[in-house]
Amino acid sequence: DVKVTQSSRYLVKRTGEKVFLECVQDMDHENMFWYRQDPGLGLRLIYFSYDVKMKEKGDIPEGYSVSREKKERFSLILESASTNQTSMYLCASGQERSQPQHFGDGTRLSIL
Amino acid sequence: GDSVTQMEGPVTLSEEAFLTINCTYTATGYPSLFWYVQYPGEGLQLLLKATKADDKGSNKGFEATYRKETTSFHLEKGSVQVSDSAVYFCAFGPGDYKLSFGAGTTVTVRA
Repeated sequence: DVKVTQSSRYLVKRTGEKVFLECVQDMDHENMFWYRQDPGLGLRLIYFSYDVKMKEKGDIPEGYSVSREKKERFSLILESASTNQTSMYLCASGQERSQPQHFGDGTRLSIL
Repeated sequence: GDSVTQMEGPVTLSEEAFLTINCTYTATGYPSLFWYVQYPGEGLQLLLKATKADDKGSNKGFEATYRKETTSFHLEKGSVQVSDSAVYFCAFGPGDYKLSFGAGTTVTVRA
């Protein structure tokens, strides 16, 4: 069975902290994605990666960066956390245009 | 630009009622279309998909047909159960490997 695993379900951090969210997939997918989910806004793409060490900005990249050193792992970094980054963060992986993305269970991040 | 619009919620139904959630898209070319479901406390799961015009996706009693002429992919279920209570997202893949999602529709089914 396919699996996308996010390192934390719940996380509480303080403003100004550097925050790392980790995601691992076991499907050998080329593409990995980070979204944030907010009520009434659906899912918005932050960054995605189509190969190791390759990345592209999504729709809302400001305040975030990513790292993909290995194919199975994709990290989201909040360089200096702010309260408006309190949200649910979802990681996903996929292989081709017509193949749906597989999602992790999400990390609910609170910035105090 | 490319976008997807789905019916706003929340939607509250009684068990065994008929459910329809409208979804329309704006895109150039021929996108793939998806419905995802998110149960409380979980990530998104693929519910069904369609990759070309007139395709019908179906799963767990849900159906949706890719209508190119109306650029729509409405989700339907003839008789809902309490276990269908969830948030439903319409999504499309416009031609690369990204997906664009609708805002989500919260469905609550009462016993």
